[in-house]
Amino acid sequence: GQQVMQIPQYQHVQEGEDFTTYCNSSTTLSNIQWYKQRPGGHPVFLIQLVKSGEVKKQKRLTFQFGEAKKNSSLHITATQTTDVGTYFCAGSPGGGADGLTFGKGTHLIIQP
Amino acid sequence: DSGVTQTPKHLITATGQRVTLRCSPRSGDLSVYWYQQSLDQGLQFLIQYYNGEERAKGNILERFSAQQFPDLHSELNLSSLELGDSALYFCASSAEGVRGQPQHFGDGTRLSIL
Repeated sequence: GQQVMQIPQYQHVQEGEDFTTYCNSSTTLSNIQWYKQRPGGHPVFLIQLVKSGEVKKQKRLTFQFGEAKKNSSLHITATQTTDVGTYFCAGSPGGGADGLTFGKGTHLIIQP
Repeated sequence: DSGVTQTPKHLITATGQRVTLRCSPRSGDLSVYWYQQSLDQGLQFLIQYYNGEERAKGNILERFSAQQFPDLHSELNLSSLELGDSALYFCASSAEGVRGQPQHFGDGTRLSIL
């Protein structure tokens, strides 16, 4: 079945440094979604990418979808303590299923 | 507040027992999804219902079953519980059964098997 790999598993940064997490799928995705889960919280939808090569920005966050629609990345510029949490990518495969295949997430730890 | 309500928040039970987790989707959402989150396996998709009908199955064990009722709330039934079933169970909902709709997650039910 479809697998979504995400790296790194953990990332420690100093506040103000940049952060990037990468997501790779074993199969071509119809779209990819990104979620953020704060410690003790639930996943919260951030964004969806649909088109090959698509780039979307949300303030300090930049999301990219690869040309082959098999990989994606999330880049945060100048991290802040409010960025702490686990960032998940989640892919929708082809076919009729709507259930998302989540990567295992990247835990972002920020040191003040 | 996502608008998705899950009860109970915590559940402690013993091996071999059966439990029922409940989820009320956001108002107007027709699709309900169940996920299991554990430290080693991450977030695993279990099953999806759309407007009362099963739509897709993921890594759901045969000991687990779910249903969605006419008022669109859903229940996840876990039976013959094993220690490895201890996890956080999330329900999510989306507006339609269209692929790629953002999913809105509840706060989860933390299940502990003793």
